[in-house]
Amino acid sequence: RKEVEQDPGPFNVPEGATVAFNCTYSNSASQSFFWYRQDCRKEPKLLMSVYSSGNEDGRFTAQLNRASQYISLLIRDSKLSDSATYLCVVTSLAGSYQLTFGKGTKLSVIP
Amino acid sequence: DTGVSQNPRHKITKRGQNVTFRCDPISEHNRLYWYRQTLGQGPEFLTYFQNEAQLEKSRLLSDRFSAERPKGSFSTLEIQRTEQGDSAMYLCASSLAAGNGYTFGSGTRLTVV
Repeated sequence: RKEVEQDPGPFNVPEGATVAFNCTYSNSASQSFFWYRQDCRKEPKLLMSVYSSGNEDGRFTAQLNRASQYISLLIRDSKLSDSATYLCVVTSLAGSYQLTFGKGTKLSVIP
Repeated sequence: DTGVSQNPRHKITKRGQNVTFRCDPISEHNRLYWYRQTLGQGPEFLTYFQNEAQLEKSRLLSDRFSAERPKGSFSTLEIQRTEQGDSAMYLCASSLAAGNGYTFGSGTRLTVV
């Protein structure tokens, strides 16, 4: 079983739609959680950190359920510019603090 | 420039050749990471430096791979006797301390023919 599993995708949604991405992680020692965005043939960029209390940044809302080891990302009123691959990422604060990435879920927002 | 710089951006090499990639992290960042990303997958951790010390290596880093970070500044990743399976995007990232965000470079895309 992979450490971080995401919805396989791709997701094709019309502009203005709400889309939700789901992610589960297997390492209960994981301490920090993130969503990264990666455009085609570009490097990953941090979209937002994820906290147990939930956090919102404009149209984006991230949630963490430590008991279920589940992370989610909700995008409301999706824009064409949201088209990208969304990567779920976890890490432990011990040692190297390496990031463990899911495979990513590709989102295409269609006019 | 305040970002992470990687060179070259693209590299095409014949199987069996050696290749070397360079990463220049953000100057005040003491942590430097190498990741590899193949098509349709998320990035996978290869190795980590804190200053000049290589503190962790993934099982993915076979004996054909070597990484250095002399003087704790730039880093190089060398692949000897390249194989077609080495074709991937090699990403470098740096951070100031544990718990801080990473900054990724644009990557070096390697194609082994």
